[in-house]
Amino acid sequence: GENVEQHPSTLSVQEGDSAVIKCTYSDSASNYFPWYKQELGKGPQLIIDIRSNVGEKKDQRIAVTLNKTAKHFSLHITETQPEDSAVYFCAASKGDKIIFGKGTRLHILP
Amino acid sequence: ETGVTQTPRHLVMGMTNKKSLKCEQHLGHNAMYWYKQSAKKPLELMFVYNFKEQTENNSVPSRFSPECPNSSHLFLHLHTLQPEDSALYLCASSQGRLARGLLDTQYFGPGTRLTVL
Repeated sequence: GENVEQHPSTLSVQEGDSAVIKCTYSDSASNYFPWYKQELGKGPQLIIDIRSNVGEKKDQRIAVTLNKTAKHFSLHITETQPEDSAVYFCAASKGDKIIFGKGTRLHILP
Repeated sequence: ETGVTQTPRHLVMGMTNKKSLKCEQHLGHNAMYWYKQSAKKPLELMFVYNFKEQTENNSVPSRFSPECPNSSHLFLHLHTLQPEDSALYLCASSQGRLARGLLDTQYFGPGTRLTVL
């Protein structure tokens, strides 16, 4: 079945620096790749997503890239701020099935 | 607030108890989902309801029983649970569609933290 690997599991970056989280997936038929941010005591919230017909998408300080050939996609956060501290999940889906990565805990250091 | 509410936020129950989790969405969506989130494990999709019809059941044990009386409400009935069922149970909703197709954006509730003693 589909498998999604997410790295790193923990990431600490200095405030103002960039953070990159990477995911790989196994099912080449996957065609939708959302990224979620989960803060303490809250449910995951969608921050950006990308579909398989697009290679890159950007929304202010957040960008996602997709390499369909290599079956990997990445989340890039630039000019990190304290409020970016959270757990980030990638996911890959096709049809009504969605598989999540295990998450990356991002710490923004002052 | 995402427009998806869940009650209760915390629940402690014994293995012989019967309890229910409730989810309500105020977004006009037609699809609703139950997920299980355990420590150090990926989010696991449990059930999917699309236009009130259950379209997915990912090999979930029968001690978990979902109910979707209408597009705005979703329940998860629990009975004779095991300690390993302790987790955060998340509800989500999305636009939904009449035919299977691309999964659309899901909006999550805050979850119910369940502890089984």
